[in-house]
Amino acid sequence: QQQVKQSPQSLIVQKGGISIINCAYENTAFDYFPWYQQFPGKGPALLIAIRPDVSEKKEGRFTISFNKSAKQFSLHIMDSQPGDSATYFCAARRAGNQFYFGTGTSLTVIP
Amino acid sequence: NAGVTQTPKFQVLKTGQSMTLQCAQDMNHEYMSWYRQDPGMGLRLIHYSVGAGITDQGEVPNGYNVSRSTTEDFPLRLLSAAPSQTSVYFCASRVSGAGELFFGEGSRLTVL
Repeated sequence: QQQVKQSPQSLIVQKGGISIINCAYENTAFDYFPWYQQFPGKGPALLIAIRPDVSEKKEGRFTISFNKSAKQFSLHIMDSQPGDSATYFCAARRAGNQFYFGTGTSLTVIP
Repeated sequence: NAGVTQTPKFQVLKTGQSMTLQCAQDMNHEYMSWYRQDPGMGLRLIHYSVGAGITDQGEVPNGYNVSRSTTEDFPLRLLSAAPSQTSVYFCASRVSGAGELFFGEGSRLTVL
């Protein structure tokens, strides 16, 4: 059973456009929601993260929107660039230690 | 600053063979974990450890063993490899209680 559901599986965006990736969860014990970025042949790396007491967090062109009542959170990439082409994973951490990851979104930004 | 180091990067095994994937971190992190990454499945937790001498199972532990004798090292053992264990394996660590997981660069395993 997938603890964190992620969509879409793949996304193609024009340079300068907005990329939006969505995730949903059921377990209310989750207390930390990060997004990871992975380039081919590399391990995932933390991009941005949010805690459930905040509805939005912005770091540069990357924004997380969090809706606690709907149990959903999303990543918005503004002014998408070809260098943003990568696989993105949302995740949720259960209070304590375990992280659960979404199935990933392959983003391609076309020049 | 090495971070999380995994060896080997690539390995081909025959069904039934055994091997150990090595993971070492130099950040003095208490928490270490192993994930496998498969197409369309995301990252799934195999085993994790919250400190030396303490390990626990994740989502997909069957067919894998771990031990944690030191803070730095967390090897993953496949006792009798099966084709279903063909995957990319990632080791990750973090400070207990903190958020960010630091990942290694992965070990690609093929079981024939």
